[in-house]
Amino acid sequence: EPEVTQTPSHQVTQMGQEVILRCVPISNHLYFYWYRQILGQKVEFLVSFYNNEISEKSEIFDDQFSVERPDGSNFTLKIRSTKLEDSAMYFCASLRQALSFHNEQFFGPGTRLTVL
Amino acid sequence: EDQVTQSPEALRLQEGESSSLNCSYTVSGLRGLFWYRQDPGKGPEFLFTLYSAGEEKEKERLKATLTKKESFLHITAPKPEDSATYLCAVLNVRETSGSRLTFGEGTQLTVNP
Repeated sequence: EPEVTQTPSHQVTQMGQEVILRCVPISNHLYFYWYRQILGQKVEFLVSFYNNEISEKSEIFDDQFSVERPDGSNFTLKIRSTKLEDSAMYFCASLRQALSFHNEQFFGPGTRLTVL
Repeated sequence: EDQVTQSPEALRLQEGESSSLNCSYTVSGLRGLFWYRQDPGKGPEFLFTLYSAGEEKEKERLKATLTKKESFLHITAPKPEDSATYLCAVLNVRETSGSRLTFGEGTQLTVNP
């Protein structure tokens, strides 16, 4: 069964460093997402991406964040200068087609980001 | 602003003891309500989508129902392997290409053997 994959599973970085989190969405899906979950809190939307551009972003997704689909399979989230409060689980998700009868987003296993 | 509230926060059941989890939502227009299961340290795993009041979906020991203000996840004769956090999320009709999901805090279910 196709699934969303993410690497690395755990990333430890120093405050102020840049990190890139990587995702491979399900192959025939067209919409891609990043969510994050701070320990003990709810899953929060960061950004959606379609047709090689951002569709929507939340107030969390400030200038320190960027997303890219560098090739036909990978989808990345970059944090330019990490802060302590960026420590969280980051989930990638993909959706086959929006505005259809099936709107299920499928999530990857997550990358745990720890900022020291 | 869309809001999703789940109750209880945590629930302990004995194996075979049926119960229900609640998800109350406030959205200007509901395009869909989603239930996910999340195991510790893992990503949300899709369970059900409900689109309109009165709709029901079933999968093994789980049944999800929907009204205009809330959804229930009924667990019949649960087993220890049903232990997980169950997440509810809503999709607003105004979400077009973005399709942002708004999640609740989740209900942490523990089923003791």
